Amino acid sequence: DQQVKQNSPSLSVQEGRISILNCDYTNSMFDYFLWYKKYPAEGPTFLISISSIKDKNEDGRFTVFLNKSAKHLSLHIVPSQPGDSAVYFCAASDAGNNRKLIWGLGTSLAVNP
Amino acid sequence: EAQVTQNPRYLITVTGKKLTVTCSQNMNHEYMSWYRQDPGLGLRQIYYSMNVEVTDKGDVPEGYKVSRKEKRNFPLILESPSPNQTSLYFCASTFTGQGRTPLHFGNGTRLTVT
Repeated sequence: DQQVKQNSPSLSVQEGRISILNCDYTNSMFDYFLWYKKYPAEGPTFLISISSIKDKNEDGRFTVFLNKSAKHLSLHIVPSQPGDSAVYFCAASDAGNNRKLIWGLGTSLAVNP
Repeated sequence: EAQVTQNPRYLITVTGKKLTVTCSQNMNHEYMSWYRQDPGLGLRQIYYSMNVEVTDKGDVPEGYKVSRKEKRNFPLILESPSPNQTSLYFCASTFTGQGRTPLHFGNGTRLTVT
């Protein structure tokens, strides 16, 4: 049973517009969330994270929002650039299980010029 | 340059022929881990190591072995590979634990077992 769900396998956005990638989780013991980006033929790279004590974290064009009551987080990319085309993974740290990382299946983002 | 280095990048082998995928990090990280990535299944953890001589099973450890004799190296061993181990493998490391400090990943090893 997927505890971290990225319900959109793929997303296509025009360059310059906003990209919104969503992630839902089921376990209330998750208290830290991370987003990773993965290009083909490369390993995932860390993008941005957020603690459960916050509802927003921003880093340049990337902002992550956390809605604890809805068990939902989203990654906003503004403005989107062609170089942002990649697979984005959401991961959650399980405070109730030795900080094990639980991964979503990823969303493939295509930013069209 | 801080990095996680995996070798080889590509490997084709036959069923039952023992192989080792090497992983090395130069960041003095205590924690290291192996993942496999399969279509529709995302990233699944095989084994992890919290420190030298400390290893533990992840979610899919069957058919794999690891060792952590030195801090920088964490090889993945397939004693008798089978076709269901055909996959894309990633090694990763971070300072301590895994939950809050970001993982640094290698560039992957694509393994095909025929």
